[in-house]
Amino acid sequence: DAGVTQSPTHLIKTRGQQVTLRCSPKSGHDTVSWYQQALGQGPQFIFQYYEEEERQRGNFPDRFSGHQFPNYSSELNVNALLLGDSALYLCASSLFPTGGEETQYFGPGTRLLVL
Amino acid sequence: EDQVTQSPEALRLQEGESSSLNCSYTVSGLRGLFWYRQDPGKGPEFLFTLYSAGEEKEKERLKATLTKKESFLHITAPKPEDSATYLCVCGGSNYKLTFGKGTLLTVNP
Repeated sequence: DAGVTQSPTHLIKTRGQQVTLRCSPKSGHDTVSWYQQALGQGPQFIFQYYEEEERQRGNFPDRFSGHQFPNYSSELNVNALLLGDSALYLCASSLFPTGGEETQYFGPGTRLLVL
Repeated sequence: EDQVTQSPEALRLQEGESSSLNCSYTVSGLRGLFWYRQDPGKGPEFLFTLYSAGEEKEKERLKATLTKKESFLHITAPKPEDSATYLCVCGGSNYKLTFGKGTLLTVNP
């Protein structure tokens, strides 16, 4: 059973460019969450997708957008890249929480460097 | 606002020297507390989920416990391969996860 997978593993972009990161959830999961983790910091919540809709969003600008596909995979898009967007981007999958919180399983991350 | 505070920020142990990591939380309507292990440059690896005060979970040298205000991750006779950052994460009534900043554990041989 494959866990959460992310692509690419590493990416180098220049300021002003746009980037798309991809995530495939763990088998059986229907919810995908995205996080940004700067060096030495804990993950910061970007947004969560369920049933192809953005269900929750953290404190990130509209330059950060996403999409979920019918097969539950997801994309994170970042426009007009800034130097400060350099980070490890983590995708986590889970079942949609209805009662108790559902455990989120993380992928290996995509390391983005903006020059 | 929900808050999760982990202590200490960093802990250095000798191999075999048992200790505990602390996670104090102020979360409205706790619906789950999670412990993850994260190695440098990698995604967090799930360790435990705790749902209610008094609950305990064990896995190899690790044991997680939960009270109404805090959680402990006990490490018994640690080995160098236990070196990592340990993250405490809480899910509250707003259905959002709040992350602690982590404890960087180093186990020397």
